[in-house]
Amino acid sequence: DADVTQTPRNRITKTGKRIMLECSQTKGHDRMYWYRQDPGLGLRLIYYSFDVKDINKGEISDGYSVSRQAQAKFSLSLESAIPNQTALYFCATSDLAGNTDTQYFGPGTRLTVL
Amino acid sequence: GQQLNQSPQSMFIQEGEDVSMNCTSSSIFNTWLWYKQDPGEGPVLLIALYKAGELTSNGRLTAQFGITRKDSFLNISASIPSDVGIYFCAGPRGGSQGNLIFGKGTKLSVKP
Repeated sequence: DADVTQTPRNRITKTGKRIMLECSQTKGHDRMYWYRQDPGLGLRLIYYSFDVKDINKGEISDGYSVSRQAQAKFSLSLESAIPNQTALYFCATSDLAGNTDTQYFGPGTRLTVL
Repeated sequence: GQQLNQSPQSMFIQEGEDVSMNCTSSSIFNTWLWYKQDPGEGPVLLIALYKAGELTSNGRLTAQFGITRKDSFLNISASIPSDVGIYFCAGPRGGSQGNLIFGKGTKLSVKP
């Protein structure tokens, strides 16, 4: 079984709809992240959480919100989806070890906003 | 702001050829990470580097932490079709412990 799972894997929605993307992990990591990937732009951080109830904005948090309900779960919401939020969304987890903060990614959710 | 520049943006090579790509930073890093993203998947860590000048291998992959601490290099020897994907460099985001900043990636295509 995958350590980091995302649901749904694909979603098509309409402008103005509320959307929630879910992430679950079995790695036992404290830290969780949401990124979006757009062609040619790499991975950009939306929000991150270092523990339950800890929420921090990333580079591009406008238009998004998150909830860290438990250590293993971190959900991303688009309150009112717009077409330029069409992208590939990744959840990641990490547990600080040694010098680095290696991150483990889920398989991604492809979101299309019409 | 802090930026990572990866070069080249894309590469089209013949199977068996060696590949070189690099990443430069506008600031000093104390860690460099190289990730690979297979088509349709999330990125996976390939190599982590922690010291300036460090050279680390993972199979046919070799990565180096530049001595200026502002760059890193990834080489792939004798490429094979499964090397196809996007390679990202990453490093700690300044002033934000536990966060990474990613380059925009190098997309590798391999012709059999």
